[in-house]
Amino acid sequence: KAGVTQTPRYLIKTRGQQVTLSCSPISGHRSVSWYQQTPGQGLQFLFEYFSETQRNKGNFPGRFSGRQFSNSRSEMNVSTLELGDSALYLCASSYVTGEAFFGQGTRLTVV
Amino acid sequence: QKEVEQNSGPLSVPEGAIASLNCTYSDRGSQSFFWYRQYSGKSPELIMSIYSNGDKEDGRFTAQLNKASQYVSLLIRDSQPSDSATYLCALDQTGANNLFFGTGTRLTVIP
Repeated sequence: KAGVTQTPRYLIKTRGQQVTLSCSPISGHRSVSWYQQTPGQGLQFLFEYFSETQRNKGNFPGRFSGRQFSNSRSEMNVSTLELGDSALYLCASSYVTGEAFFGQGTRLTVV
Repeated sequence: QKEVEQNSGPLSVPEGAIASLNCTYSDRGSQSFFWYRQYSGKSPELIMSIYSNGDKEDGRFTAQLNKASQYVSLLIRDSQPSDSATYLCALDQTGANNLFFGTGTRLTVIP
C-alpha cells in the first residue's frame, strides 16, 4: 500500500512569488491535514480537509490556503512568499480521524 | 491555546536500557494521543496511538495515558542506537485530524 506522497520534495522561491504544494493521501484515506515545521516553532497545524471541505484551520495568515479534490488529493498554496515561510511543509492523511500518517514533506526555501 | 509540553532533552540512555519519555497537556477534553518518531531530516513516523487510560504495548514500546493527571508517556524497552531520534507527543484537538504537537524530546541511545 503506497504511503502519502508529496510533491515536489524541494522548492526554492523568491520573495513575493507564490507556490503550490501537492499531497496524495494513502488510498482510502479521506482526511488530509497540512503542517509547517520550523526549528523555532516546531510542528504547527495549517488546515485540514475532509471530503473537499475544510474542517479546521490553524492560526496562519490568509496567504496560506488549500483545497481538496474529489479523489482526496490536496494542494496548499502560499501567496506573496516571505522569508519566514521557509520551512518543511508536511501533509498527513487519515481515514476519517485517528491515526495520521505523514508524507516525506516539501522543503521550501524562500530567498 | 492548548498546550503540549515535553522535556526537550537531550535524553541519553545506554543501549539495552529503558527510555522514558513524558508529555503533559493542558486540554482536559483531549481524547486522542499519539507518539511520533522523527529522525533528523525525515518526516514524523507514527509509533503509537492511545485513547483510553492505562497502558498500551506494541513490541518494545509502551504508551501510558492518565487523563486525570493529564499526562501521556512512552517507554522504550531494550533501547537500540537506531531509536536515537526526536520523539513527538501529539494530541488531536477536535477529533478531525488536527494534531497539536509538543516540541519533542531528543533521545540518544549510547552503544
